[in-house]
Amino acid sequence: AQSVTQLDSQVPVFEEAPVELRCNYSSSVSVYLFWYVQYPNQGLQLLLKYLSGSTLVKGINGFEAEFNKSQTSFHLRKPSVHISDTAEYFCAATLLAGYQKVTFGTGTKLQVIP
Amino acid sequence: DAGVTQSPTHLIKTRGQQVTLRCSPKSGHDTVSWYQQALGQGPQFIFQYYEEEERQRGNFPDRFSGHQFPNYSSELNVNALLLGDSALYLCASSVDGENEKLFFGSGTQLSVL
Repeated sequence: AQSVTQLDSQVPVFEEAPVELRCNYSSSVSVYLFWYVQYPNQGLQLLLKYLSGSTLVKGINGFEAEFNKSQTSFHLRKPSVHISDTAEYFCAATLLAGYQKVTFGTGTKLQVIP
Repeated sequence: DAGVTQSPTHLIKTRGQQVTLRCSPKSGHDTVSWYQQALGQGPQFIFQYYEEEERQRGNFPDRFSGHQFPNYSSELNVNALLLGDSALYLCASSVDGENEKLFFGSGTQLSVL
């Protein structure tokens, strides 16, 4: 079984500053990795995903993430945040078996300060 | 394309009651998964339905049951509600074998009083 750990429950950052949201995973087999965003009172929206290939993955809204197999990490970054990025971000993993469940971390609340 | 739709959006029940939540998958999708998201937590996998059968189940008691219809829509039933069942219930759909392309609905907020 896989597990996902998000090390920071809340991250405050000033507008236009860079941000990194940390995620580590644990699995005995290969996994797909994801970052989702959840705005208040809404469902989850996929930001980006790593399936294979290049370890640097670019997503929507200017976000990117880097897969690091040796450190079992998949940190999310954005070089300059906007007020509209204020939301909760979830890292997630699923096995490569095709129909396996998705396992989520506990989430990181990004608060962008004007 | 309407995406994944869930109903109702909000629901208030009392302890001991039963509740049914509904989900219509994205057009072209045949697999539906249900997740429970408690306040301040990440979503937790409840179960997945494919070809009208429960294919995989998370660590949830038998009070949680489901159904999938021939048109791929799905219901989540919870019996004997507990206060701890208060949560956002999310439905996600995908094409069989493509769990990397999961689409989520906006959820049903269940409050148990």
